[in-house]
Amino acid sequence: QSALTQPPSASGSPGQSVTISCTGTSSDVGGYNYVSWYQQYPGKAPKLMIYEVNRRPSGVPDRFSGSKSGNTASLTVSGLQAEDEADYYCSSYAGSNNLVFGGGTKLTVL
Amino acid sequence: QLQVQESGPGLVEPSGTLSLTCVVSGGSISNDNWWSWVRQPPGKGLEWIGEIYQSGSTNYNPSLKSRVTISVDKSKNQFSLNLNFVTAADTAVYYCARERCSGASCYPSYYGMDVWGQGTTVTVSS
Repeated sequence: QSALTQPPSASGSPGQSVTISCTGTSSDVGGYNYVSWYQQYPGKAPKLMIYEVNRRPSGVPDRFSGSKSGNTASLTVSGLQAEDEADYYCSSYAGSNNLVFGGGTKLTVL
Repeated sequence: QLQVQESGPGLVEPSGTLSLTCVVSGGSISNDNWWSWVRQPPGKGLEWIGEIYQSGSTNYNPSLKSRVTISVDKSKNQFSLNLNFVTAADTAVYYCARERCSGASCYPSYYGMDVWGQGTTVTVSS
C-alpha cells in the first residue's frame, strides 16, 4: 500500500481560508468514506480533527471542515488563526483491515 | 478520562526486537474499541503499524506484517508491540492510540484515533 499524497506545504494569512488535499486511489480514499484528518504540533502527539470525511469530534472548532470528491479528500481551515500553524495528516481505510496515512502537510500562517 | 501511555526501552540493537507496552488508564481495554500502534520516523510522516481488539484479533500493515506482533493483556489493561529484526529504519517515535467508535459501531480503522499517548522514542543503534 502506498501513502496518500499530500502537498508538503500550505500557507495563508490570518482570517483567510486554506485547503489541504489528500489524494489516494479507488482502493482507499475513493472507495470508502472513512477519511480522517489529524493536527500535529512539533514534538506532540497527533490530534483527531475530522473523521468519516466531514465529521468533527467534540471540541474541534467548526472552522475545520472536510470533504471528498472521487479519490481526493480535502481539509479546509477557515478564518485562519496563528494557532492553526501545525502539520496535518490525512488517513484512510484502505480495505482488508488496512489503514494508510498521507505524507503530511505543513501549514504556515503568514 | 481515558489515557494511554507507552513505555519501553529507548535503545534497541540492530537485528534485535523492539518491545513496547501501552497502558490504558481511566477506562477499560475491554470496551469495544480497537487499539493501534503508529510510528513516526524523525522528520517524517505517520505510519500505521497495526491494531488489536480485546479478543486478541489483530490487523497489521502489510509492509511490516512479517516482523510485527501485537498482543493484549486484559488483566493488566494494556497491549504490547513486538517488532523483530529491527534496523536503523525502525528508529522512530512510537505512539499507541485508541480507535474511536461511531455510536455502537466499532470497526477497525474506520473512525479515526481519538486518544493518543505522548509517544516514546526508540533508536535502533549498536
